[in-house]
Amino acid sequence: AQSVTQPDIHITVSEGASLELRCNYSYGATPYLFWYVQSPGQGLQLLLKYFSGDTLVQGIKGFEAEFKRSQSSFNLRKPSVHWSDAAEYFCAVAPTEYGNKLVFGAGTILRVKS
Amino acid sequence: EAGVTQFPSHSVIEKGQTVTLRCDPISGHDNLYWYRRVMGKEIKFLLHFVKESKQDESGMPNNRFLAERTGGTYSTLKVQPAELEDSGVYFCASSSIGGIPFDEQYFGPGTRLTVT
Repeated sequence: AQSVTQPDIHITVSEGASLELRCNYSYGATPYLFWYVQSPGQGLQLLLKYFSGDTLVQGIKGFEAEFKRSQSSFNLRKPSVHWSDAAEYFCAVAPTEYGNKLVFGAGTILRVKS
Repeated sequence: EAGVTQFPSHSVIEKGQTVTLRCDPISGHDNLYWYRRVMGKEIKFLLHFVKESKQDESGMPNNRFLAERTGGTYSTLKVQPAELEDSGVYFCASSSIGGIPFDEQYFGPGTRLTVT
């Protein structure tokens, strides 16, 4: 069965430092790939998505992600973290032949220290 | 444009009681999805409506859960009778057209259900 692994439950970074959140998926073909963010009291917001083409995708709020087929990974990065980035981040995949349902990872909670 | 709204934001009920969660999708969105996150676990798909029809209900855990979308607008998710393991956050999402490559799903803030 398809699955998504986010190996880091919590990550703490200093404000201004770079960030990388890891995501690996288990699936035979290349699914559609997503990163969502949830701030306290808010719904999940789409940061970026990958369907095909250029493997480095740019998203909102200065985030980017790189798809690596050989590693089945889709890691999220940001060069300089701001205190407002503290939130929970979810990697998700949509297996291409299973319609529109999303399969999520367990989430990574990002803490930003000043 | 209003986003996806969910009501209530929190609900605390006793085991054996009934609870009904409501989701109002973005106006004009034909596709509506329910997901659930049990404490600390992954967000898991429950079901997908296209207008008033259930397109995929493969994620519904058991027959204590009943989802409806009369008239193809808002949706309700009823849990009857509630069990302790039903506690979690229930998310609703909507999208406009569905299909390929993939239509962005817009999520509501979720309803936190606690069964005691």
